[in-house]
Amino acid sequence: DQQVKQNSPSLSVQEGRISILNCDYTNSMFDYFLWYKKYPAEGPTFLISISSIKDKNEDGRFTVFLNKSAKHLSLHIVPSQPGDSAVYFCAATSGTYKYIFGTGTRLKVLA
Amino acid sequence: DGGITQSPKYLFRKEGQNVTLSCEQNLNHDAMYWYRQDPGQGLRLIYYSQIVNDFQKGDIAEGYSVSREKKESFPLTVTSAQKNPTAFYLCASSTSGDFTEAFFGQGTRLTVV
Repeated sequence: DQQVKQNSPSLSVQEGRISILNCDYTNSMFDYFLWYKKYPAEGPTFLISISSIKDKNEDGRFTVFLNKSAKHLSLHIVPSQPGDSAVYFCAATSGTYKYIFGTGTRLKVLA
Repeated sequence: DGGITQSPKYLFRKEGQNVTLSCEQNLNHDAMYWYRQDPGQGLRLIYYSQIVNDFQKGDIAEGYSVSREKKESFPLTVTSAQKNPTAFYLCASSTSGDFTEAFFGQGTRLTVV
């Protein structure tokens, strides 16, 4: 049973526009959510996170939104740049040292 | 430079052989993890360890074994019992406590022929 889902395997966006990546989860015990960026044959790098007591967290061009009632989070990248092209994973944890990852969304930013 | 080192980056083994993947961290993190990535399946948790000499099975532990004799090291052995061992393996670590992120190594691509 997939507890963290990323239903869009891929997304293409024009440079300068907004990229919106979505993630849904089923476990209401999750209290911390993270986004990672990954290039092929490399380890994921941490981007941004949000705890369940917040509904928004911003860091530069990256903003994460959390809707607990819908069990949904999204990552907004504004403006999108070609260097943002990568696979993005959302992850969730409930303080048990287990980070559960989604299947990833491949973002392609077109110049 | 602090970080997580996985070695080797590429590993080839014959079917039926056990193989051990190395993971070392100098971040002074208590917790360490092993994930496996397959195309279209995201990252799946194999084993994790919160402290030295203790570890727990993740979602896909069958055919794998680990040890945690030192805080800095968390080697993963892929045994001959693992039916589909060819994959990209990722090691990670994190501090203890709530609301912390995991840091990843660069991964090891294991190919069994």
